[in-house]
Amino acid sequence: AQKVTQAQTEISVVEKEDVTLDCVYETRDTTYYLFWYKQPPSGELVFLIRRNSFDEQNEISGRYSWNFQKSTSSFNFTITASQVVDSAVYFCALMDPAGTYKYIFGTGTRLKVLA
Amino acid sequence: DTEVTQTPKHLVMGMTNKKSLKCEQHMGHRAMYWYKQKAKKPPELMFVYSYEKLSINESVPSRFSPECPNSSLLNLHLHALQPEDSALYLCASSQDRNNYGYTFGSGTRLTVV
Repeated sequence: AQKVTQAQTEISVVEKEDVTLDCVYETRDTTYYLFWYKQPPSGELVFLIRRNSFDEQNEISGRYSWNFQKSTSSFNFTITASQVVDSAVYFCALMDPAGTYKYIFGTGTRLKVLA
Repeated sequence: DTEVTQTPKHLVMGMTNKKSLKCEQHMGHRAMYWYKQKAKKPPELMFVYSYEKLSINESVPSRFSPECPNSSLLNLHLHALQPEDSALYLCASSQDRNNYGYTFGSGTRLTVV
């Protein structure tokens, strides 16, 4: 069975601190995609990144970075020098491209960045 | 235009009412989705349209009726809802079913009284 676990329900940090959001996934498929989405208070989910199972290179985009490790089935997300605007719920998700193309979402991590 | 626009943003309806949620995109995307999100939960897939045809119905009760009049529009018709149907309803689109990054709208917050 496919599953995504985000063990951190809520994290609070002070502005300019670095913060890492954890994501652990389970799948028996060899080909799959992992995603991170941000959901600010306004409600929409904002696509942040997609990573396929054959590409374990870490990725950096500005203050955001992602660490994909197949050996531990983890796809962690780090925000460097956090800002108040980073406050949101962050969802990690898994998709099996050979199946139904449905997202398997984690339960989300609520990040509060305090000024 | 890189947005998915949903109207209305808020809706309060009685259990005997009929209402519709509207979703519009002008990105040329051929796959559109309806998700339901309860408070403090992840989104749950309801329906998928691909090239204007319904391809997935996640066993959603018939009081929810989707419609895709054209490639830019997606409606969700609501009838005889229950208070437990109160939630945030999100629409999303993608280039096609093989494109894995979705563009989501900001949703309609529905309250059933």
